[in-house]
Amino acid sequence: AQTVTQSQPEMSVQEAETVTLSCTYDTSENNYYLFWYKQPPSRQMILVIRQEAYKQQNATENRFSVNFQKAAKSFSLKISDSQLGDTAMYFCAFMKYSYNDYKLSFGAGTTVTVRA
Amino acid sequence: EPEVTQTPSHQVTQMGQEVILRCVPISNHLYFYWYRQILGQKVEFLVSFYNNEISEKSEIFDDQFSVERPDGSNFTLKIRSTKLEDSAMYFCASKPAGEETQYFGPGTRLLVL
Repeated sequence: AQTVTQSQPEMSVQEAETVTLSCTYDTSENNYYLFWYKQPPSRQMILVIRQEAYKQQNATENRFSVNFQKAAKSFSLKISDSQLGDTAMYFCAFMKYSYNDYKLSFGAGTTVTVRA
Repeated sequence: EPEVTQTPSHQVTQMGQEVILRCVPISNHLYFYWYRQILGQKVEFLVSFYNNEISEKSEIFDDQFSVERPDGSNFTLKIRSTKLEDSAMYFCASKPAGEETQYFGPGTRLLVL
């Protein structure tokens, strides 16, 4: 079974500043996918960014980028130019590559608060 | 943009009662999932469904749980006899073939009294 660890329960950042959320995972798989999902107070789960393990290039989506270190099994999320709307819980998630088995394993989440 | 929808948004029920949570996945998606999130805890996988059958289920998904795709559009989760510990947010998700990303619905908050 895969385990996903998010060691920071809460993070606070000033508006326009940068914050980095950590995520590590444990797997024996070689092919897999990693995701960051955002859950604002409305509780909807929204995809922020995803990374394929076979790609060495780190994924970026506008102000969101990841630092994927496959050997270290680390997948951190950087939020640049933080905005008040970024206030949410952020979940790191793992999915192994398998025929018809695409379940997500989530970390415990990190609550991010952006201060005005 | 197409979205996964879930009804009801909130449900309160008495212990021992049956509840059915409903989901309408995105129309061209083929893979369907239920997850739950007990308040303050991580999101947990319950079950995956593909080609009209369960692909995988977790230990949580015992005989009290069942899923169904009754009419080609809805995807339901039934809890036969609810327990207090079933109180949680239940998320439905769907995924198209050939893509890895799961798209989540807004969730149903279930409270068992």
